This record gives sequence, C-alpha cells and structure tokens, in this order.
Amino acid sequence: DIQMTQSPSTLSASVGDRVSITCRASQDVSPWLAWYQHKPGKAPKVLIYKTSDLESGVPSRFSGSGSGTEFTLTISSLQPDDFATYYCQQYNSYSLSFGGGTKVEIK
Amino acid sequence: EVQLLESGGGLVQPGGSLRLSCAASGFTFNIYAMNWVRQAPGKGLEWVSAITSSGGATYHADSVKGRFTISRDNSKNTVYLQMNSLRAEDTAVYYCVKGNGQLLIDWGQGTLVTVSS
Repeated sequence: DIQMTQSPSTLSASVGDRVSITCRASQDVSPWLAWYQHKPGKAPKVLIYKTSDLESGVPSRFSGSGSGTEFTLTISSLQPDDFATYYCQQYNSYSLSFGGGTKVEIK
Repeated sequence: EVQLLESGGGLVQPGGSLRLSCAASGFTFNIYAMNWVRQAPGKGLEWVSAITSSGGATYHADSVKGRFTISRDNSKNTVYLQMNSLRAEDTAVYYCVKGNGQLLIDWGQGTLVTVSS
C-alpha cells in the first residue's frame, strides 16, 4: 500500500500570509494526487485534483504542484475562511490513502 | 445538487454488527463509483471501501478486510456498508463519498459509529 506523509502537522499563520504544505508518497503516484479542505462538523471538500487542477468554485489563491513522490499545496494569501485542516490523498490505485493532515491555525 | 444522506450509525458493542446506508440523489447514481471514508475522534481521514458503478468490483482497506462489505442497489440509488466483528478502533464518523473514478468528489455529512461496551 502507498503511504502518504504530510508536513507540517500544524501551521500557525496570519491572514495574508503565503503558506505551503508538503506531501510525500512512498512511491510514484503522479499525477493522481488531490488536496482536500476539512472544517469541523462539515464534509471535506476537494480543492485540487490531478496534482494541479483547481476544482470548480475553488478560489485561485489555492494552487497545487509537484510530481513523482513530492507534492505541494500553496495558499497565496491566507483568508479567514481558510483556517481548516488540509489532507493530501493519492488516487493512483486502490487502496486509496490520505496524508495525516495539516491543521492551519490563526497565529 | 448532489445529496448523500448517511444513516444507520449508532452505539454497538464490541463484536457486534451494524449496516450503514447512504441514499444518493441529484446525479445519475449508476455511473459513479461510491466509497466510504471514516474519521476516528481526533484522527485524520481513512479510506475504508469502494465499489464500482455496476457493483462488479469492490475494494476494502486492510484494516477492515474480511469484516466489512460494501454493496449497492442501483434501483434504489443506495450504497451500503455492512460492518461485522466491530472493534473499538472502528469508532468514527463514516462518510459516504461519490467518486469520479478514484477521485473523491462529493461527500455526505457523515454518520457516527461508536463501538463500546
């Protein structure tokens, strides 16, 4: 099975900051890497799919990049609505697997 | 609008069984794969099971293989998760998720399963 490792596990930042989250896969999953946003009590929401494609309706301040086993989610200017937990997920093959999550907190 | 409504969660004793249901609406159910994903208290997301659009193939995480079974009834627009031999570590919110291939694109609100004596 493919293991996904995210870093950092927690990130403290201020509104307007540029933030990046890294995700590493135990083997090549390119380009089948997605990013999700999850807020407490709500359903997770897909932000980015196929490494860098923006899901419809997602603000352009979110972007994804990477290849092979290393991927990055970047938020260019953090907004109040962005404080949440973010997960990467590989969908190269079953079984699907998620990273451990990165909680983005207010500094 | 896609709607995924989970039901069937609750409190069950270790070793017991539970069947979750997910009623889908707002899309052509029989052309999409369906999944179950869970989140244990204070933990991250864990994919549990998937079933192809026809129901011809199913997949399960190693942690539930042999204990959980995913199925679907395309005439009822419903997907199920039969959970047997439940353990304390199965305690989680279980989400029903619509798949586009293996991408998890639409999520329900979740149903809580608590395994405790």
